[in-house]
Amino acid sequence: DGGITQSPKYLFRKEGQNVTLSCEQNLNHDAMYWYRQDPGQGLRLIYYSQIVNDFQKGDIAEGYSVSREKKESFPLTVTSAQKNPTAFYLCASSMIDEQFFGPGTRLTVL
Amino acid sequence: SQKIEQNSEALNIQEGKTATLTCNYTNYSPAYLQWYRQDPGRGPVFLLLIRENEKEKRKERLKVTFDTTLKQSLFHITASQPADSATYLCALSGAGGGNKLTFGTGTQLKVEL
Repeated sequence: DGGITQSPKYLFRKEGQNVTLSCEQNLNHDAMYWYRQDPGQGLRLIYYSQIVNDFQKGDIAEGYSVSREKKESFPLTVTSAQKNPTAFYLCASSMIDEQFFGPGTRLTVL
Repeated sequence: SQKIEQNSEALNIQEGKTATLTCNYTNYSPAYLQWYRQDPGRGPVFLLLIRENEKEKRKERLKVTFDTTLKQSLFHITASQPADSATYLCALSGAGGGNKLTFGTGTQLKVEL
């Protein structure tokens, strides 16, 4: 089946620890995105990549880092510099216009 | 600054009626607008895309209108069903082109029996 997978579904970390969220797609899409969603809010763009080995900051990139070494993979690292990391993180990919989303990872920092 | 507004209050309607959701935007000239459905704890799912030169788009029980003068899109679900209950997000293409999207906060729809 084609799609986007994110793992894990739930993630707990202690304050001050870096954590990496996984995102893999087998749709052969060029572009991939990371969003953050807080309760009652829309999706806010963290980083996006339109091609392998290239990525750009979105609207709220501070405290996050990404890499795009393979077309299928776009991992997101939440660093200790992110002041309020507890949120629902969504990864998406697209070929042209519509975006396909993964199931999300809910990160809780204790 | 660019702003996208969707009704923050939940919309409650009876089964069989038409649900109408609104998306307004300011300081924006999007090339296209998209609507997504999101169920609790899950990723959004694409529903419809409408381009700036299109007035209306339909897909089964769904209809979207796009008025670039009013800077507004309306999303209609006809013959609504309880299974249509979800949060609906509108998203606008980036001002600089490409496929970057900016999302509204979403409107929760509840369809009651």
